Amino acid sequence: GENVEQHPSTLSVQEGDSAVIKCTYSDSASNYFPWYKQELGKGPQLIIDIRSNVGEKKDQRIAVTLNKTAKHFSLHITETQPEDSAVYFCAASRASGTYKYIFGTGTRLKVLA
Amino acid sequence: DTAVSQTPKYLVTQMGNDKSIKCEQNLGHDTMYWYKQDSKKFLKIMFSYNNKELIINETVPNRFSPKSPDKAHLNLHINSLELGDSAVYFCASSLGPGATYEQYFGPGTRLTVT
Repeated sequence: GENVEQHPSTLSVQEGDSAVIKCTYSDSASNYFPWYKQELGKGPQLIIDIRSNVGEKKDQRIAVTLNKTAKHFSLHITETQPEDSAVYFCAASRASGTYKYIFGTGTRLKVLA
Repeated sequence: DTAVSQTPKYLVTQMGNDKSIKCEQNLGHDTMYWYKQDSKKFLKIMFSYNNKELIINETVPNRFSPKSPDKAHLNLHINSLELGDSAVYFCASSLGPGATYEQYFGPGTRLTVT
């Protein structure tokens, strides 16, 4: 079946360092890849997304890269801050029609001050 | 000012009971969802409704029955609760049913079955 693998499951970085989270998807028809951030006690919130016709997208300190051939996509956070500490989920879906998100297993990011 | 709200926030109940979780969104969205997040944080869709019509129905025990009385509300009723139903249940909504519409999640309902 369709699945999305996400690594690492936990990641600790020093404040100011960069963090990278990687995902691999199995459904070759997937063409839409959102990233969600879940803070403690809250629901997930969209932080960035990318479509398959784009290889990279950046929004301030956050960037996402996509390698469609390898079916890999990654989240890059630069100059990490304590408020970046949260659980991050990648997801894959088909952009057209009614299609569900397949979420990755999540990465708990801790930014150490 | 709340976008997607859920009640209750916490629900503790015994095996075999029947319980409901309510969800309301004030964003004017057409599509609503129920997700289950287990103890390992794995997030999986259960159901989705678009304009009160069921459009996604994952492999979920038929003890779970969603109901959408109108576009702004999506409730989840669970019969004969089991220990394995313990999880956090999230409601979400989006402008439309396409995957590229941002999904707005509620704060979650932590269900504990004893």
